[in-house]
Amino acid sequence: QLQLQESGPGLVKPSETLSLTCAVSGVSISSGSDYWGWVRQPPGKGLEWIGSISYSGSTYYNPSLKSRVTISRETPKNQFSLKVNSVTAADTAVYYCARRWIAGDAFDYWGRGTLVTVST
Amino acid sequence: QSVLTQPPSASGTPGQRVTISCSGSSSNIGSRTVNWYQQLPGTAPKLLIYSSSQRPSGVPDRFSGSKSGTSASLAISGLQSEDEADYYCAAWDDSLKDVAFGGGTKLTVL
Repeated sequence: QLQLQESGPGLVKPSETLSLTCAVSGVSISSGSDYWGWVRQPPGKGLEWIGSISYSGSTYYNPSLKSRVTISRETPKNQFSLKVNSVTAADTAVYYCARRWIAGDAFDYWGRGTLVTVST
Repeated sequence: QSVLTQPPSASGTPGQRVTISCSGSSSNIGSRTVNWYQQLPGTAPKLLIYSSSQRPSGVPDRFSGSKSGTSASLAISGLQSEDEADYYCAAWDDSLKDVAFGGGTKLTVL
């Protein structure tokens, strides 16, 4: 059974870097043809796609966040990571990692999400 | 302002049929497939419909999706109390090179 689990600090100071990791079990992130992505949801608001990394390591980012975001992977650990630089209060959100199933062009498996608060 | 437009709220009584609309443009819904996600309170989104009208395994056939031109719809028949949730449409946008989500529709079962 495919499972994803986010981990990382729940509190980040303004101007610092937010770093999260998504551990994947049940399938190799470097096999197949699927992508692995991050989606966030500010409190009480809707969903926003942050970016994705492909099975081959290619990355794709939301243009509005591209200058501050990096998605990378550690294939031996079967996990991928998110870094958001120069965070502000507007980056406070629940961050989800998810698999982007290419055949269905949809996010079909999601982690439970982790709340990251940007505050002093 | 979301690229895909959904009504902020919808409601129905148990057993009723409700529909939720999602309006886009030629660069997203008009040229791509649409997905629908259900988000129960305090939980992660769940894929409800993919490829505009396909249901993943385990999703009841009470849920159905359709697409016409630059709009899509999610229909829920035989409404149940456990269907009370937020519903989001999504599609790739060829102009923005971005996954576009709708703003979400809060469904209330009266």
